[in-house]
Amino acid sequence: GEDVEQSLFLSVREGDSSVINCTYTDSSSTYLYWYKQEPGAGLQLLTYIFSNMDMKQDQRLTVLLNKKDKHLSLRIADTQTGDSAIYFCAERRGGSGNTGKLIFGQGTTLQVKP
Amino acid sequence: DVKVTQSSRYLVKRTGEKVFLECVQDMDHENMFWYRQDPGLGLRLIYFSYDVKMKEKGDIPEGYSVSREKKERFSLILESASTNQTSMYLCASRAPAGGGQYFGPGTRLTVL
Repeated sequence: GEDVEQSLFLSVREGDSSVINCTYTDSSSTYLYWYKQEPGAGLQLLTYIFSNMDMKQDQRLTVLLNKKDKHLSLRIADTQTGDSAIYFCAERRGGSGNTGKLIFGQGTTLQVKP
Repeated sequence: DVKVTQSSRYLVKRTGEKVFLECVQDMDHENMFWYRQDPGLGLRLIYFSYDVKMKEKGDIPEGYSVSREKKERFSLILESASTNQTSMYLCASRAPAGGGQYFGPGTRLTVL
């Protein structure tokens, strides 16, 4: 299909790891992104991965990319209450160089319980 | 840091009014985007622009138009607002190459 898919809700306890999963559709997508949206705010770019990589780590965040299965995940280590938000994955489709557009998933609401 | 600002956080308009939503970015980005965000529908692309005076339709352009007279400013226009245009509107600009999109704080528009 056309959609980028994510599960809608994830609940974890503070201090645990969170894993948010995403499947995308276009095998030629060049970049894949993770965004965070806190209540009432715009989207904040967390991290992105180029399609020729399979892992990227940035402090508590680890992105894993399985290009064969078109599966992207975001792992948050030592999850804190401040991590509670909606997390969107997005794939960049079409275009080259400075063109193309992002297709977003519907977002996963992460609830962190103290 | 990239800064994307939107002219209003909250806006209330009446059906039939012409509405202007302004977006300004300070990083000299060529690409700018307008989305609307609705519960259960995620983000949907309305229009985007690759450069000054250029515009491309996104997935849901009906009822909207845009203006890009200067590189830093991208305006979304609702020619005649309708109640089904009540939504959160998000503007973004994009860094070159693989850089991600940077979003403004959003404008929550209510059309009565």
